[in-house]
Amino acid sequence: TQLLEQSPQFLSIQEGENLTVYCNSSSVFSSLQWYRQEPGEGPVLLVTVVTGGEVKKLKRLTFQFGDARKDSSLHITAAQPGDTGLYLCAGDDAGNNRKLIWGLGTSLAVNP
Amino acid sequence: DTAVSQTPKYLVTQMGNDKSIKCEQNLGHDTMYWYKQDSKKFLKIMFSYNNKELIINETVPNRFSPKSPDKAHLNLHINSLELGDSAVYFCASSQGIGFLTGLTYGYTFGSGTRLTVV
Repeated sequence: TQLLEQSPQFLSIQEGENLTVYCNSSSVFSSLQWYRQEPGEGPVLLVTVVTGGEVKKLKRLTFQFGDARKDSSLHITAAQPGDTGLYLCAGDDAGNNRKLIWGLGTSLAVNP
Repeated sequence: DTAVSQTPKYLVTQMGNDKSIKCEQNLGHDTMYWYKQDSKKFLKIMFSYNNKELIINETVPNRFSPKSPDKAHLNLHINSLELGDSAVYFCASSQGIGFLTGLTYGYTFGSGTRLTVV
């Protein structure tokens, strides 16, 4: 099964620090979604990026879609304990019967 | 509250039993899904229904049977449960017509059902 590679797999930082997590693939995606999943809950959609090079901001979160639409990054500025969770990316691989291809996620812990 | 709600939240059962998980969405979405999340947190789509019609049926054992009585409900029935069925099962929905809408608009997930087979 094709996967999106997410890195790092685990990240533990102090409140106030900045961080970047990555989502990479050898495939080109029509669009890519980022979700955050908290323990005991389902994933919650944060953003969808569609255009190569696109940058979207959601408060302290900045999402970027790679120019070639093969990768994406999520940058969090001044992380807070409420940012703790599993960050999942999912890409629309137009050549794969139009299904979302999911990554395994980056588990982020922000310590007070 | 507008949401995707699924019951039960936790389900512990013995091998060989039959169990059902129920899902309801009040978002007015036309497409609903069942996903399985394994212990490594990998999400795998199982089924997709568009307005009560099955449109995606992944390689899932036929012990798993979805049922959609109307476009707001999608239930999952599992026969002859096995140890390997233990996982978290998520119901989700997306707006618009057709499974492609999830690719465009994203999914709204329920909070999951943790199934443990002993």
